[in-house]
Amino acid sequence: AQSVSQHNHHVILSEAASLELGCNYSYGGTVNLFWYVQYPGQHLQLLLKYFSGDPLVKGIKGFEAEFIKSKFSFNLRKPSVQWSDTAEYFCAVNGDSSASKIIFGSGTRLSIRP
Amino acid sequence: DVKVTQSSRYLVKRTGEKVFLECVQDMDHENMFWYRQDPGLGLRLIYFSYDVKMKEKGDIPEGYSVSREKKERFSLILESASTNQTSMYLCASTKQGRAFFGQGTRLTVV
Repeated sequence: AQSVSQHNHHVILSEAASLELGCNYSYGGTVNLFWYVQYPGQHLQLLLKYFSGDPLVKGIKGFEAEFIKSKFSFNLRKPSVQWSDTAEYFCAVNGDSSASKIIFGSGTRLSIRP
Repeated sequence: DVKVTQSSRYLVKRTGEKVFLECVQDMDHENMFWYRQDPGLGLRLIYFSYDVKMKEKGDIPEGYSVSREKKERFSLILESASTNQTSMYLCASTKQGRAFFGQGTRLTVV
């Protein structure tokens, strides 16, 4: 079955702390991987994506994620978080074909203490 | 910029009513999706469509139907609204796998 697991439901950090949010997926075949972010009261927007090539991808606002194929993981990292990173983060996966569906994880709420 | 527009930001409907949620995208995308977003459950796929008049069930299609008569428009229909369908509904269209989302419709069924 196709699924995405985000193990951390709510993460609370202080400013300048390092962040790692876990994401594991189950999806047959070649996959594309995404992290989306939803700031309070705003649309979901793309943070970063992996299609192929270098498994370490960099996104906006200093975020990066590493695709580890053997572990079916795509964890999100940031070396030093800011208060403005307070948001909900969603990992997502889809297949390679143009008609494949996108599966989202349950989301991780990140709260940053100023 | 890609624009995905959902017809209503907030809706309040009565139990048993037929409810239409409309979504329009302006970038000629093939694929469109309807999700519902609930706290702690993330985004759950209701239906998606990869072409006009084509539709595929997602993970939670029960109680919903969809219509895609034109490429730019994807409608979600609640045949007989129930209180457990109170939720935030998100429409998305995709290009090269990347999803562009509408602002969401918060539906309350009373």
